[in-house]
Amino acid sequence: EDQVTQSPEALRLQEGESSSLNCSYTVSGLRGLFWYRQDPGKGPEFLFTLYSAGEEKEKERLKATLTKKESFLHITAPKPEDSATYLCAVQTDYNTDKLIFGTGTRLQVFP
Amino acid sequence: DGGITQSPKYLFRKEGQNVTLSCEQNLNHDAMYWYRQDPGQGLRLIYYSQIVNDFQKGDIAEGYSVSREKKESFPLTVTSAQKNPTAFYLCASSARYREAAYEQYFGPGTRLTVT
Repeated sequence: EDQVTQSPEALRLQEGESSSLNCSYTVSGLRGLFWYRQDPGKGPEFLFTLYSAGEEKEKERLKATLTKKESFLHITAPKPEDSATYLCAVQTDYNTDKLIFGTGTRLQVFP
Repeated sequence: DGGITQSPKYLFRKEGQNVTLSCEQNLNHDAMYWYRQDPGQGLRLIYYSQIVNDFQKGDIAEGYSVSREKKESFPLTVTSAQKNPTAFYLCASSARYREAAYEQYFGPGTRLTVT
């Protein structure tokens, strides 16, 4: 069964303290891996798409990387406004475009 | 501005009543999706539609129904047969090309409370 696991469930950081979020997946065939940011009570906001092992994408303080078994979302020198839940999802099915989501990592950055 | 709108933001209903959640997009996307989000669980797919006048069940379709009469619109009806309808409902859309995996863009969500 295709599965996506995110760790840790929650992460508390001091402003400026860099860290990484993990998304591990076991799937039959990966078409794409997606990172989203979700603020409380709002819909997920798209961040990155990664297609193949070795690929990296960057946006401001965020950098996403992909291996054959997992993806990391690196947060460099985070700010309080980076506080949110970060969701990882994979797409495996050519016919349905279905996304399989992890349960997310809740990040809190304190000043 | 292009995007996805969902209405209403909050919805309260009595048990036994059907309720319809609205989803509209002006991104010219072919595919649209409905997800349900519950605390501590990942988003779960309810229904999806890849083209007008066609839709398929997702993982948790029981107690829900949809229609896709226009490209821009994909309303979701939560029927009285849905055993635990209280949840946060998210609509999404994506471009769809056969050879690529395209990201899905989400609306702001509707929080449904049934008592």
